[in-house]
Amino acid sequence: DADVTQTPRNRITKTGKRIMLECSQTKGHDRMYWYRQDPGLGLRLIYYSFDVKDINKGEISDGYSVSRQAQAKFSLSLESAIPNQTALYFCATSDTTGGYGYTFGSGTRLTVV
Amino acid sequence: RKEVEQDPGPFNVPEGATVAFNCTYSNSASQSFFWYRQDCRKEPKLLMSVYSSGNEDGRFTAQLNRASQYISLLIRDSKLSDSATYLCVVSGSGSARQLTFGSGTQLTVLP
Repeated sequence: DADVTQTPRNRITKTGKRIMLECSQTKGHDRMYWYRQDPGLGLRLIYYSFDVKDINKGEISDGYSVSRQAQAKFSLSLESAIPNQTALYFCATSDTTGGYGYTFGSGTRLTVV
Repeated sequence: RKEVEQDPGPFNVPEGATVAFNCTYSNSASQSFFWYRQDCRKEPKLLMSVYSSGNEDGRFTAQLNRASQYISLLIRDSKLSDSATYLCVVSGSGSARQLTFGSGTQLTVLP
């Protein structure tokens, strides 16, 4: 099994729908992150969490919310999806120091029509 | 100014060539540095950490110049399988130390 698992892998949804992307990890890490990737813009941080009771906004949090249900689970919700949220979404984890880099999930390709 | 800047490329090189990628970062207090590799539509994967003294892993050599806030990656004897996008990654300072990713440099190794 992968260290970081994201579901679904692909999703097409309609404008205005609520959608949840899920992430679980078996690394035992406290820190978890959600990024989106758009062509030419690289990875941009949406939200991050350093433990179950800690949630922080990243640089592009508008239109998104998150829930840290357990140390191993971190979900991302789009409350009312819009077409410019079409992107590749990655979940990642790291240890407390971050000094060993991040481990990423395989990504969720989301299309909003 | 972007926090981490890379030449987007693309770099198209023949097999066996040596290719170098450069990256600059704006936060002088950054503490950790990495190169990641990302294949098309796949997740980024850690290629190597970058240390002040420079470090090598097989055909890959990474260098860090803190004074110039500059990071480099050298790939020798390029293989077809090296074709990917290479992301320069820098951590912040303080307790958060989140990673900031460059937009990546695309490499295609040609037969």
